[in-house]
Amino acid sequence: NAGVTQTPKFQVLKTGQSMTLQCAQDMNHEYMSWYRQDPGMGLRLIHYSVGAGITDQGEVPNGYNVSRSTTEDFPLRLLSAAPSQTSVYFCASSSAGHEKLFFGSGTQLSVL
Amino acid sequence: AQSVTQLGSHVSVSEGALVLLRCNYSSSVPPYLFWYVQYPNQGLQLLLKYTSAATLVKGINGFEAEFKKSETSFHLTKPSAHMSDAAEYFCAVRHTGANSKLTFGKGITLSVRP
Repeated sequence: NAGVTQTPKFQVLKTGQSMTLQCAQDMNHEYMSWYRQDPGMGLRLIHYSVGAGITDQGEVPNGYNVSRSTTEDFPLRLLSAAPSQTSVYFCASSSAGHEKLFFGSGTQLSVL
Repeated sequence: AQSVTQLGSHVSVSEGALVLLRCNYSSSVPPYLFWYVQYPNQGLQLLLKYTSAATLVKGINGFEAEFKKSETSFHLTKPSAHMSDAAEYFCAVRHTGANSKLTFGKGITLSVRP
C-alpha cells in the first residue's frame, strides 16, 4: 500500500533557485493539501485542492504555487527559494468527507 | 475562524503514569475535532476523531478523548504511558463548510521517562 508518496525526502537549495516537491496518492482521494511544519508553529496549510483543476490558498501561500492536473498528483513549486522557506513539508490527502488525512513522510528542505 | 489551542509545548511523564494532553477549541458551533500523532521522522497519523456522535472517543493505542462543550475542550488521555508513546501530538479542528480545511494546533511533545 503506497498511500501518499513524497519526493524528495531531503533537499538543499541556494537562495533564488527553483524546485518542485512531488506528491502522489493512489487512494483516489479528491482532497489534497500541502503543509509546512516549523518548530513551535505546528502545521500550517500552504495550498489545497478539492479535485483535479481546483486549487485554493491556505494560511501561508506566498512563495508557493500548485496545480492539480490529475487526481493523483499535487506538486508544490517554489519559484525562487528563500531562507524563510526552510522547513519540513508534508503532503496529505483525504476522501471527500475530509475526516481523516493521510500524510506523506515529508520533505526536509533547507534554503541557504 | 475556528482554531485550537494546545497549552505548553512539552509534557514529561513516567512510564505507567497517566497521560493528559490538553486542547481547547474556539468555535461558534460544535466542530469536528481530531488528535494526530507524529513519531520521529514520520508523517502524522490519526489517533482519534470527534464528529458529534459520542462525546467520549476511543482511539488507537489506548488513547481516548472527551468532548466537553461547556469547557470547549477535547483533552487527550491515556491511563498508563508506555515508552512507545513518546511522540509529538497535534490537536486539530475541521472548518465547517463544503471545502472544509483542517487547522492544527502547535503540537505538544510527550516524553516518557523509564
